[in-house]
Formats: sequence, C-alpha cells, structure tokens
Amino acid sequence: DGGITQSPKYLFRKEGQNVTLSCEQNLNHDAMYWYRQDPGQGLRLIYYSQIVNDFQKGDIAEGYSVSREKKESFPLTVTSAQKNPTAFYLCASSAQVAAEKLFFGSGTQLSVL
Amino acid sequence: AQSVTQLDSHVSVSEGTPVLLRCNYSSSYSPSLFWYVQHPNKGLQLLLKYTSAATLVKGINGFEAEFKKSETSFHLTKPSAHMSDAAEYFCVVSDSGGSYIPTFGRGTSLIVHP
Repeated sequence: DGGITQSPKYLFRKEGQNVTLSCEQNLNHDAMYWYRQDPGQGLRLIYYSQIVNDFQKGDIAEGYSVSREKKESFPLTVTSAQKNPTAFYLCASSAQVAAEKLFFGSGTQLSVL
Repeated sequence: AQSVTQLDSHVSVSEGTPVLLRCNYSSSYSPSLFWYVQHPNKGLQLLLKYTSAATLVKGINGFEAEFKKSETSFHLTKPSAHMSDAAEYFCVVSDSGGSYIPTFGRGTSLIVHP
C-alpha cells in the first residue's frame, strides 16, 4: 500500500534538546516537503527537496535542518534554536516539484515539556 | 511572488444549504490552483485542481470551483452541505515564479449545523 509514513504521531521536546521527525515514502516521488501547521496560519513551508542530496529552505527554515540521503526518506530535525517548536508538522511528497498533487502524511504533533 | 488569501477564517452553514468558501490569489504567471480538505485527525486530501484547462473544475464529494482571471479568484462551492463536509479547507497556488512550490492559504473552517 503506497503512501507517506510520519513518525512518531506525538513527540515531546525538552528545553535545549534536538528532536528528529521521520518521514518515509514508498511512492517513488522525487520531491518531498515539510510544512508546519499552526492554528489560523495555514501550512507554512519549512524545507523542500527536489532530488536526493539536494534541499532548499522554505519560508520558515530557521531553527530546523533536514537531510535527503535516500529518495524515500526526508527527516526533519527541530533544533534547540527553534524557540517556538510547538506545532503540527506535515510531510508531503509529489512526483516532481511541478507536479499537480501533493500526497500528505498523517502528521506529527510536537510539544514542549 | 505568488500568494493566496482565503477571505473567511470560518464559514457556518446549515445542512442542505449551499457552501461558498472564498479564495483570491496573486500570481504574475499562469498559476495552478488547488483546494485541499483536512478532516479532524486526518491527513490532507486533494479536492480539486485547476491547471489552465476548463475554468470550471469539478472535484470530489460534489465540490466545484471556478477560475476567474479577471477577479483573481478561485472560490469553492457546493450546492448542498452535508454534515461530513465539516472540515478545514485550504486554497493553494503554484506557479513558475515560485518554482512551482505550493503556497497555502490560512485555511477556512467549515462548520455544518444540523
């Protein structure tokens, strides 16, 4: 069954801690994205990747980092530099960046302890 | 730069009455426009898309949207609301000026009363 898998579903971060959110897809898609969702603000782009070993900053990249070592994986690290990390994080993919449709994972809710 | 504005943060309708969710876009190029829906505790799902073909686009679950270039609008409509339509709706724009990266609106919460 093809799709995007995000884990964990819930994650808690302590002050000064880095945490990593997992995103895996088996759709053979080239492009992958990370969005942050806050109430009333829609989805804001953190990072995106068009191809393996390449990624670009989105609108709110500060305090986050990513890697794209494999086509199917695009993990997001929320670093201690991100002062307001509490949000719902969504991973998405598309066949190409200019493709028509995004496929979304079920999301990770990150909270600060 | 591409952008999209959803004109209402909340829309409340009664079951069986028409739905109108408003979206205006800004793009210097030929945009692609989309509507996505997010039901509580579920992922986002594509409702419909416009990509320079017919200006009236039909989507899933009885929704449709009309691309109006002169008004820079892409409003989402449905003739008769159902309780299951209650969800968050996002208008999305994508164009070559933005490297085709999708830009989301802030969302409209649709509330359906029995």
